[in-house]
Amino acid sequence: DGGITQSPKYLFRKEGQNVTLSCEQNLNHDAMYWYRQDPGQGLRLIYYSQIVNDFQKGDIAEGYSVSREKKESFPLTVTSAQKNPTAFYLCASSGWGQGFGEQYFGPGTRLTVT
Amino acid sequence: GDSVTQMEGPVTLSEEAFLTINCTYTATGYPSLFWYVQYPGEGLQLLLKATKADDKGSNKGFEATYRKETTSFHLEKGSVQVSDSAVYFCALDSGGGADGLTFGKGTHLIIQP
Repeated sequence: DGGITQSPKYLFRKEGQNVTLSCEQNLNHDAMYWYRQDPGQGLRLIYYSQIVNDFQKGDIAEGYSVSREKKESFPLTVTSAQKNPTAFYLCASSGWGQGFGEQYFGPGTRLTVT
Repeated sequence: GDSVTQMEGPVTLSEEAFLTINCTYTATGYPSLFWYVQYPGEGLQLLLKATKADDKGSNKGFEATYRKETTSFHLEKGSVQVSDSAVYFCALDSGGGADGLTFGKGTHLIIQP
């Protein structure tokens, strides 16, 4: 079955540590996205990538980094510079066929930093 | 910049009641509009979409009409079920979609039997 996988589902880290969240898709989509979800805040765009080896900052990129070395993969690193890293992180992808606005989401990773 | 405003939740209804969740937007140009649904502990799923004025999106008994004159995209369903309990997000895409969507804050819907 085609889809997006994110791992792990729950992640716990100590303050000051970097942590990398995994996102893989087998939908052959060109574009991939990372969003952050906080209670009562909706989703906010962290980074996006429209093509391999290229990515752009979203609205809240500070304290995060990404890479896009393969079409299928778009890992997100939450660095120690991110002041409030505890959140629910959602990865999404989209392609030309159905319009980029129609995004497919993974199940999310809930990160807790203490 | 672009923005989406949704009615505050939670919205609590009895089973078989009529549902309306209001959504208004501010955007440049002619955005595409979407409703996404999120069930507890999961990612978002596309519920329906409309790409131009007066289009009606529909799916699973839900409907929404793209109203350019009122910049609105209200979600409706004639008879809700307990299984419709979820968080609903209105979203827009004004840049062709490849640079991400702008989401509202979400409306938590609770359906009581």
